[in-house]
Amino acid sequence: AQKVTQAQTEISVVEKEDVTLDCVYETRDTTYYLFWYKQPPSGELVFLIRRNSFDEQNEISGRYSWNFQKSTSSFNFTITASQVVDSAVYFCALSEAGLRNNDMRFGAGTRLTVKP
Amino acid sequence: ETGVTQTPRHLVMGMTNKKSLKCEQHLGHNAMYWYKQSAKKPLELMFVYNFKEQTENNSVPSRFSPECPNSSHLFLHLHTLQPEDSALYLCASSQDGRLGMNTEAFFGQGTRLTVV
Repeated sequence: AQKVTQAQTEISVVEKEDVTLDCVYETRDTTYYLFWYKQPPSGELVFLIRRNSFDEQNEISGRYSWNFQKSTSSFNFTITASQVVDSAVYFCALSEAGLRNNDMRFGAGTRLTVKP
Repeated sequence: ETGVTQTPRHLVMGMTNKKSLKCEQHLGHNAMYWYKQSAKKPLELMFVYNFKEQTENNSVPSRFSPECPNSSHLFLHLHTLQPEDSALYLCASSQDGRLGMNTEAFFGQGTRLTVV
C-alpha cells in the first residue's frame, strides 16, 4: 500500500530563513506521481508541483525548490528566504499509476509558521 | 470566481438532521472528488466521480451519500451523522480521473462541518 510520511509536524522559522520540508514515500509501483500542496488558513489546498517517477530532475520555481531522490524515496521541498505569507500547512501526496491512480494519498502535513 | 466553489463554508447540524454540501467547478473538468480532513487524520479520499460515474467509494459509511448530476456539480448528502464526522470536507476536480498523468487536482475551500 502506498504511504506518505511527513515527519515534521510543525516548523517555526524567522522571516528570511531557508526551510526544508521533508517527505518520504512508500510504493511498490514503478510508475507513480508526487505532489506538494499548500493549505493556507482559508482552507483550500493550493497545488504547487507534480512530479512523475521517471523524472528525477530537481525543480526551482522562484523561492521554491524540490529535491526528488528515488534512492531514498524522498521528495523534499525547500523555501528560500521565507516570508510570513508562506505560513501554511504543506502536504505531500502520492498517486500510483494503474487502477487506483485517482487516489492521492496525503501525508499528515507540516505546519510552517514564519515569524516576522 | 474561484475554480472550485463549495457551499456552505460552515455547517452545524444535529445528529438527526439531513443536510447537503454542494460543490461546483468552473474549470471544465470531468472528474470530481470528495475528501475528508479530520483533526487527527491525514486527508482521506471519500468518493470519485469520473464523467458523472462513481468510480471510487473508499468504504464510506452510508450516512454519506454523493450525487453527481453533471460534470460541474457534486453534492454530498448527509443524514444521521455522528459527532466524529465533524471535519473539513473538501471538494476537488481534475481534468480526468487519472491523477499525475499531466493532471493535478484543484480544491475548493471546504465546508467546515460540526455535528452536535
